[in-house]
Amino acid sequence: GQQLNQSPQSMFIQEGEDVSMNCTSSSIFNTWLWYKQDPGEGPVLLIALYKAGELTSNGRLTAQFGITRKDSFLNISASIPSDVGIYFCAGPPHNNAGNMLTFGGGTRLMVKP
Amino acid sequence: DSGVTQTPKHLITATGQRVTLRCSPRSGDLSVYWYQQSLDQGLQFLIQYYNGEERAKGNILERFSAQQFPDLHSELNLSSLELGDSALYFCASSGDRTYEQYFGPGTRLTVT
Repeated sequence: GQQLNQSPQSMFIQEGEDVSMNCTSSSIFNTWLWYKQDPGEGPVLLIALYKAGELTSNGRLTAQFGITRKDSFLNISASIPSDVGIYFCAGPPHNNAGNMLTFGGGTRLMVKP
Repeated sequence: DSGVTQTPKHLITATGQRVTLRCSPRSGDLSVYWYQQSLDQGLQFLIQYYNGEERAKGNILERFSAQQFPDLHSELNLSSLELGDSALYFCASSGDRTYEQYFGPGTRLTVT
């Protein structure tokens, strides 16, 4: 099936730094979603992108829908300790019978105060 | 709070047993999805129901089954449990014609 590859797999940054992560696929996606998961909790939807080239912000988070439709990027500005968690990209695979999502493997973010 | 509820929060059972996980979607959402997340793994789609009907199926084992009831709550039944079935099981719901899924807090299943 279609796979989403996220990089980096993990990152350890200093509080206040900006963060960039990305998600790539060998296939075209028409929708990109970014989720954050805290330990032991369910994923929380951060941003949804529907159009190639679209740039959408949610507070300190900004996500972009890549022009090729095969990638998406998430940036976090001025990181704080509560940004710690796993960030997942997701999208509906081609020939999707329902509204199922394929998830990337996640980027684990650790923030040092 | 996403508005999606799941019970129980934790479940410990033995190999060979059968368990039922329950999910109530957000008010107004007709679609319910089930995902499995093993330790340090991503989320694997299992199955989707829409207004009581199965809509899409992922890598769901034959030992697993699900249903959605007229009040739209859903149950995931796991039988002949194996150690490898230990995982977090998430339910999500969405409205019509949208891919935006909202996840519940999950059920942590431990098979001993």
